[in-house]
Amino acid sequence: GENVEQHPSTLSVQEGDSAVIKCTYSDSASNYFPWYKQELGKGPQLIIDIRSNVGEKKDQRIAVTLNKTAKHFSLHITETQPEDSAVYFCAASTTGNQFYFGTGTSLTVIP
Amino acid sequence: ETGVTQSPTHLIKTRGQQVTLRCSSQSGHNTVSWYQQALGQGPQFIFQYYREEENGRGNFPPRFSGLQFPNYSSELNVNALELDDSALYLCASSLDVVSTDTQYFGPGTRLTVL
Repeated sequence: GENVEQHPSTLSVQEGDSAVIKCTYSDSASNYFPWYKQELGKGPQLIIDIRSNVGEKKDQRIAVTLNKTAKHFSLHITETQPEDSAVYFCAASTTGNQFYFGTGTSLTVIP
Repeated sequence: ETGVTQSPTHLIKTRGQQVTLRCSSQSGHNTVSWYQQALGQGPQFIFQYYREEENGRGNFPPRFSGLQFPNYSSELNVNALELDDSALYLCASSLDVVSTDTQYFGPGTRLTVL
């Protein structure tokens, strides 16, 4: 089955700096890669996603890049704000819409 | 808000008991997936239901079972509870079983097994 690895596990940045989280996947059949933000005591919230026919997608301060050849994808958050502090999960979806998640990155934005 | 709701919010059970968790999907979403999230870990896929039939299962034993109903509600049942079953249980709904369909998560049910 699919295996998704995520790095780093923890990340601290100064407010206004950029944050980058990286994930790799193993199954070349995976073709959908969402990113979720999870705040304490809440369920994961979709923040951005990318499909395998696209190399990059941007939504205001958030961007995702995908390298299908290398089987890795990354989340980029620019101009970080304290409210960006949360746990971020990457995921990969293969046949049947079954998601496989990474282990999460705890992001802390220091004011 | 995703429009996906779960009940109850918290639940405490003892080892050996049985538990039923409930989920209400977004209207029109034919697929519901259930995940187990242990503390400090990513969600792990338990199983998925599509139009009331099981459509895939992760590495979980048969004592984890589910049901999906025509009114977009679903259940996760766990028999013979073990201490390791303590976790946040999440349901997620999506339109279909196409791999590129977005999944929308509920807030989860926190299960504690003593």
